[in-house]
Amino acid sequence: NAGVTQTPKFRILKIGQSMTLQCTQDMNHNYMYWYRQDPGMGLKLIYYSVGAGITDKGEVPNGYNVSRSTTEDFPLRLELAAPSQTSVYFCASSTPGGGAGNIQYFGAGTRLSVL
Amino acid sequence: AQSVTQLDSQVPVFEEAPVELRCNYSSSVSVYLFWYVQYPNQGLQLLLKYLSGSTLVKGINGFEAEFNKSQTSFHLRKPSVHISDTAEYFCAVSDNSNSGYALNFGKGTSLLVTP
Repeated sequence: NAGVTQTPKFRILKIGQSMTLQCTQDMNHNYMYWYRQDPGMGLKLIYYSVGAGITDKGEVPNGYNVSRSTTEDFPLRLELAAPSQTSVYFCASSTPGGGAGNIQYFGAGTRLSVL
Repeated sequence: AQSVTQLDSQVPVFEEAPVELRCNYSSSVSVYLFWYVQYPNQGLQLLLKYLSGSTLVKGINGFEAEFNKSQTSFHLRKPSVHISDTAEYFCAVSDNSNSGYALNFGKGTSLLVTP
């Protein structure tokens, strides 16, 4: 079972470059999320999606964009990379039907450095 | 919205000793509570959850947690730890007010088990 797959695992960007972090899940989950994890700060929600074609901002959306054209894929786009976006990015998906008690399944993460 | 406080950033413990990782939360409504574990360079894995019912919940790897509504706490315990329990532990909360039922995470507690 693949679960939630994120690519790439590591990336170094120069300031001002753009890139897309890929996330795909094979569990037919409606809900998908992007979080960023900074040292000593826990995880912060960037964007989320409750189904194909529906996305919304989380707590820290500035500098990022998302799209959800299929149930399986939820890519995160960085348009103009800045050093403040150096972080570990996690994609997650949750059990069908959503609800506050839903369990989220996480990918292995993408480590991004912006220099 | 809720907040989550993990009272200890680091907890060193000897192998086979008991451990308690503390978590307090604030919320004005009924909450759902989770503990996730993150092993080095990996994604997050669910340890256990409290949705409703019995306040003592058991999870994987011998961990358990107790929901205490009056003290707004959800402390994680294990009677005897192993070296392999060395990891980062995150307490998380969700309720019906969260964006897309996203999780609100604490800052994490680093558990270091030594021989």
